[in-house]
Amino acid sequence: AQTVTQSQPEMSVQEAETVTLSCTYDTSESDYYLFWYKQPPSRQMILVIRQEAYKQQNATENRFSVNFQKAAKSFSLKISDSQLGDAAMYFCAYRSRVGFQKLVFGTGTRLLVSP
Amino acid sequence: GAGVSQSPSNKVTEKGKDVELRCDPISGHTALYWYRQSLGQGLEFLIYFQGNSAPDKSGLPSDRFSAERTGGSVSTLTIQRTQQEDSAVYLCASSLEGTGDFNNEQFFGPGTRLTVL
Repeated sequence: AQTVTQSQPEMSVQEAETVTLSCTYDTSESDYYLFWYKQPPSRQMILVIRQEAYKQQNATENRFSVNFQKAAKSFSLKISDSQLGDAAMYFCAYRSRVGFQKLVFGTGTRLLVSP
Repeated sequence: GAGVSQSPSNKVTEKGKDVELRCDPISGHTALYWYRQSLGQGLEFLIYFQGNSAPDKSGLPSDRFSAERTGGSVSTLTIQRTQQEDSAVYLCASSLEGTGDFNNEQFFGPGTRLTVL
């Protein structure tokens, strides 16, 4: 079974600064997908960024980018130019490419953003 | 509607009572998922529906939990004889299909916060 680990329960960053959230995972599969979701106080999960395991190139979405290290099974999220609206819980998730598509989540990192 | 909706938003119940939680997926989405988010935990998969196929119930924690999906659309998660450890946020998600396509994104609803006293 696949597992996802987020070792940082809480991180803090100042506005306009950069922060990196860590995620490691364990799997025996070679082809899979990785995701970062944001969960604001409204509880609704919002997809931030996604990565296909067979792609070497790291995904980027505006201020959000990932550092995907397949051999190390590491998938960190970098948020540049942090904004107050980035404050939320961030969850790393894994999805197999075969079979039905349940997501396996880590326990989350709470991001605090200060002015 | 434009997104996944869930009702009620919050539910407080007494231990031993039965509860029903409802999920309305995005119109046209054939795949529907239920997840549970306990305090301080990530989301835990509960059950998956894909079209008219038999649901995958591998994540249901006990036989007190059941779910159905009527007409391939609305889904109801039922918890019988609720226990305090059932207190959690129950999230529903839907996707266009249940396939492995990279772009087959799961869209989440706002969840139902269940509190069992």
